[in-house]
Amino acid sequence: AQKVTQAQTEISVVEKEDVTLDCVYETRDTTYYLFWYKQPPSGELVFLIRRNSFDEQNEISGRYSWNFQKSTSSFNFTITASQVVDSAVYFCALSERGGGGADGLTFGKGTHLIIQP
Amino acid sequence: AAGVIQSPRHLIKEKRETATLKCYPIPRHDTVYWYQQGPGQDPQFLISFYEKMQSDKGSIPDRFSAQQFSDYHSELNMSSLELGDSALYFCASSSSRVRGSADTQYFGPGTRLTVL
Repeated sequence: AQKVTQAQTEISVVEKEDVTLDCVYETRDTTYYLFWYKQPPSGELVFLIRRNSFDEQNEISGRYSWNFQKSTSSFNFTITASQVVDSAVYFCALSERGGGGADGLTFGKGTHLIIQP
Repeated sequence: AAGVIQSPRHLIKEKRETATLKCYPIPRHDTVYWYQQGPGQDPQFLISFYEKMQSDKGSIPDRFSAQQFSDYHSELNMSSLELGDSALYFCASSSSRVRGSADTQYFGPGTRLTVL
């Protein structure tokens, strides 16, 4: 069975600090997708990134970067120079492709990130 | 860009009543997913539909049913509501045809259901 673990329940940092959110996953499939979503206090779920299991290339988008390492089954998310607007709950999620259909996402418990001014 | 539309945004029901939630996917998206998120919890996958056929099933109670219509919109029907059904219900959509982003699920704003 698939599982996503976000060990950090809550992280609090001061604005402009860098912060890394950890995500560890378990799956028996060789083909899978990993995602990060942001849920601000307003409640919507905002898609941030998708990574395929066969693509271990790290990605940078502005102040956001992601580090995918299959050897440690991790997909960590780093925010550099954090801002108050980054305050939200961040979810890591996994989708297996073994079923061949529109598979549901398995989410981690989320990390509540608090950026203090 | 157009996003996923959910209606109603808020719904208050009594125990044992029924509720119907509606979801309108992003235009040209052919797949719809339903999730339930309890307070302080992560979203839990309920069910998905691809081209109007049920595709994957998660932890959806037998009291709930869903379908996808010919215009790709979907409805989640919930009967014999219980206090524990109070939650935020998300619909998400994806396209199997978009190169490089198939299976990426884009979420709607959610319907907040309160059962009294």
